[in-house]
Amino acid sequence: DTEVTQTPKHLVMGMTNKKSLKCEQHMGHRAMYWYKQKAKKPPELMFVYSYEKLSINESVPSRFSPECPNSSLLNLHLHALQPEDSALYLCASSLPADYNSPLHFGNGTRLTVT
Amino acid sequence: GEDVEQSLFLSVREGDSSVINCTYTDSSSTYLYWYKQEPGAGLQLLTYIFSNMDMKQDQRLTVLLNKKDKHLSLRIADTQTGDSAIYFCAESTGFQKLVFGTGTRLLVSP
Repeated sequence: DTEVTQTPKHLVMGMTNKKSLKCEQHMGHRAMYWYKQKAKKPPELMFVYSYEKLSINESVPSRFSPECPNSSLLNLHLHALQPEDSALYLCASSLPADYNSPLHFGNGTRLTVT
Repeated sequence: GEDVEQSLFLSVREGDSSVINCTYTDSSSTYLYWYKQEPGAGLQLLTYIFSNMDMKQDQRLTVLLNKKDKHLSLRIADTQTGDSAIYFCAESTGFQKLVFGTGTRLLVSP
C-alpha cells in the first residue's frame, strides 16, 4: 500500500467543469509534488511545494491551480481543461526538498477531459 | 540538457536475470533512482544510489553506476512474472527536480 493517498482514482470532466484532485501524506514530509504522465511516457514535473510554499512551477497553464493547505495535504484545482489534459496525475512527497531524499508517489488520478 | 535514455523493451523468462540499462547526461546528479510502475498504478520506489557509490545491492536488486560513462543499470535476479512492469530510472538534478528516463517495459514469461 502506498503511503501517499490520492483521490479520486478516476475523474471524467467536461471542458467547462471545475474539479479538484486531492493528495494526502502522513509521513512527515515537507515537500510535495504534482506530476503529469501521458500514456507510454515518463512523468513530467508540474509543481513543487516546499514547507507549504510553491517553489517550482514548470510553466504550467493557469487552468491548473495548486494549493497546499497544510503540510499533509496537496490539492490541484482544475478549470476549463482541454482534452489534451487527459492524463494520469501523480502526487509525490519527500523530506524537505533540499535533503535530496527519494520521492514517494501515490497511485494517481486518471483524468479524462471530454 | 537533461536527457535520460532507456531501451524500450526487455523480454525474459521466469527465473532468468534481467538487466535494465539507463544513460543519463547530468554529471552533477547526486542521486539516481529506479522506480517500477505496474499497469494503472503509480510509481513504486525500488532503490536508489548515491553518486559516489559504484554498486548497491538490495535483495534481488543490484544497481551498478558507472559515473564516467553516465551509465546506470538495474539487475533483477531470479525474475518473476510479478516483476513485469515498466521500469523508470531517474536522476536528481537539484532541488528534488527528478528527470525520468523514457521507461523500459519488462515482460516476464513463464
